[in-house]
Amino acid sequence: AQTVTQSQPEMSVQEAETVTLSCTYDTSENNYYLFWYKQPPSRQMILVIRQEAYKQQNATENRFSVNFQKAAKSFSLKISDSQLGDTAMYFCAFTFQGAQKLVFGQGTRLTINP
Amino acid sequence: NAGVMQNPRHLVRRRGQEARLRCSPMKGHSHVYWYRQLPEEGLKFMVYLQKENIIDESGMPKERFSAEFPKEGPSILRIQQVVRGDSAAYFCASSPFAPSSGANVLTFGAGSRLTVL
Repeated sequence: AQTVTQSQPEMSVQEAETVTLSCTYDTSENNYYLFWYKQPPSRQMILVIRQEAYKQQNATENRFSVNFQKAAKSFSLKISDSQLGDTAMYFCAFTFQGAQKLVFGQGTRLTINP
Repeated sequence: NAGVMQNPRHLVRRRGQEARLRCSPMKGHSHVYWYRQLPEEGLKFMVYLQKENIIDESGMPKERFSAEFPKEGPSILRIQQVVRGDSAAYFCASSPFAPSSGANVLTFGAGSRLTVL
């Protein structure tokens, strides 16, 4: 069975700082995908970034980047130049080729302070 | 494109009543997923449907819960005889691709929050 673990229930940083959220996963699959979703107070689930396991290059989306360590089964999210609007719950998620579902971690509550 | 539309956003039911949650997927999306989020937890998969077919309901409780995605109209998640433990946010997601395609990109709705008194 696949599992996703986020070991940081809460984090808090000052605006403009860089913050890294941790995620580890466990799977025996070779062809899989990893995601970070953001859930602001509005509860909308917003896709932040996506990584295909077969790609060695780390995915980036503007201020968001990942550090994908396949051997260590680690998938951390780095937010650079953090903004107040980044305040939200962040969920790491996993799925594999042909799977019907996403498996989510427990989430990290990130607060950006002015 | 209005995105994935869920209604109602908030629903209050008393124990023993029925709850019906609706989800209209994005235009062109024929794959619908339902997830449940208990307070302070991540989302948990419940069911995956294509038009008129339930493909995977492995995450859905065997009793009181049912889902459908008819040829016309929204997908419905139905909870009969609700209990307090059913209080949660229920999210719908849709995709234009089958899981076998490998694209695995889901667009989520804003969720429906069910409160059982």
